[in-house]
Amino acid sequence: LAKTTQPISMDSYEGQEVNITCSHNNIATNDYITWYQQFPSQGPRFIIQGYKTKVTNEVASLFIPADRKSSTLSLPRVSLSDTAVYYCLAGGGNKLTFGTGTQLKVEL
Amino acid sequence: GAVVSQHPSRVICKSGTSVKIECRSLDFQATTMFWYRQFPKQSLMLMATSNEGSKATYEQGVEKDKFLINHASLTLSTLTVTSAHPEDSSFYICSAREGLRGEKLFFGSGTQLSVL
Repeated sequence: LAKTTQPISMDSYEGQEVNITCSHNNIATNDYITWYQQFPSQGPRFIIQGYKTKVTNEVASLFIPADRKSSTLSLPRVSLSDTAVYYCLAGGGNKLTFGTGTQLKVEL
Repeated sequence: GAVVSQHPSRVICKSGTSVKIECRSLDFQATTMFWYRQFPKQSLMLMATSNEGSKATYEQGVEKDKFLINHASLTLSTLTVTSAHPEDSSFYICSAREGLRGEKLFFGSGTQLSVL
């Protein structure tokens, strides 16, 4: 399991693009990179997953460089409702371990 | 996406009683489910991995006799906190892996356990 490192917190304003970078230097060949969002007193919600290059869905984009030692979650035009903790996981196999996560706070 | 249902969402119990938490995968079969606990303002901590039809694998430091896990079917796993004490008060979250679609985990909504 690759250990992940993320910023503890980030602040942004409504309408801005937010990029959260995660470091996973020891990522294994078979590991996927997955991002989750968690609101207080709720279970984490899947946002996006990728293996390499760029992945985009209706809520976010995920950028993964060729060496795969880091990844960046990009949230376009955030709103107040995007205030949450965002977790980056790099792993595979039978379990995924959560790191500290990034508390994103969006203000008006 | 896949749906994982967790019940109850909140439970308050007296010290010494046992509490059962259910986790169901509603639209897919989950051969593997995971149980996490989370303290306020902390990350999720993996407690155990539950495999259908076999014994659960517990993480280091988690008492298997305290936290009983049963995964009797491909859609249901249960966590029983036996003889609960105030220090067991926490937010418990289950998740299921949908293997056919990669390494995604889908999570239940969590159970807030408060032991008086």
